Amino acid sequence: AQKVTQAQTEISVVEKEDVTLDCVYETRDTTYYLFWYKQPPSGELVFLIRRNSFDEQNEISGRYSWNFQKSTSSFNFTITASQVVDSAVYFCALSGSYGNNRLAFGKGNQVVVIP
Amino acid sequence: EPEVTQTPSHQVTQMGQEVILRCVPISNHLYFYWYRQILGQKVEFLVSFYNNEISEKSEIFDDQFSVERPDGSNFTLKIRSTKLEDSAMYFCASKPTGREGGYTFGSGTRLTVV
Repeated sequence: AQKVTQAQTEISVVEKEDVTLDCVYETRDTTYYLFWYKQPPSGELVFLIRRNSFDEQNEISGRYSWNFQKSTSSFNFTITASQVVDSAVYFCALSGSYGNNRLAFGKGNQVVVIP
Repeated sequence: EPEVTQTPSHQVTQMGQEVILRCVPISNHLYFYWYRQILGQKVEFLVSFYNNEISEKSEIFDDQFSVERPDGSNFTLKIRSTKLEDSAMYFCASKPTGREGGYTFGSGTRLTVV
């Protein structure tokens, strides 16, 4: 079974501060995918990033970056120089590598950016 | 960019009534999914569908639920005899074949059972 844990529930930051969201996962698959999704107040799920389990290279995409550590089963996500529009719930998710694998979501982190 | 389209965006129904939630997946995708999110909670998997049949379902997806791909474009979720606890946001998602390709979610249908 696959499991995703996001321990922090609500995180408040002042605009322009960085915010890091922690994600720890469990899986028996040797190949898998990790995701971050954003859910703004309007309710839709917005895809942010995806990482393959065999690629531990960490990257930066605009104000987003992620730190994938296979040894600790963690896939942390950072928003640099936060903006009010970043206020949303952020979900970490995990899927297996084969065609129809379901996504397993964490409980989400509510990020509140204070102007 | 291709989108997954869900209708209606919001549906209110009386307890005990049947509802059908509709989705139009991305045209060249072959894997289809329904997920549910009760207000304030995490997104939960309901069912996956491939090659015109259910490939996996969760314990939530009991006999009250059914899915169908009635034609080449629509993918529907039917909930029979709705209960108050069925009130949630229902998301449809689709995925291309193979290992590559991520999941694309629709914008959701908010179902309110009164």
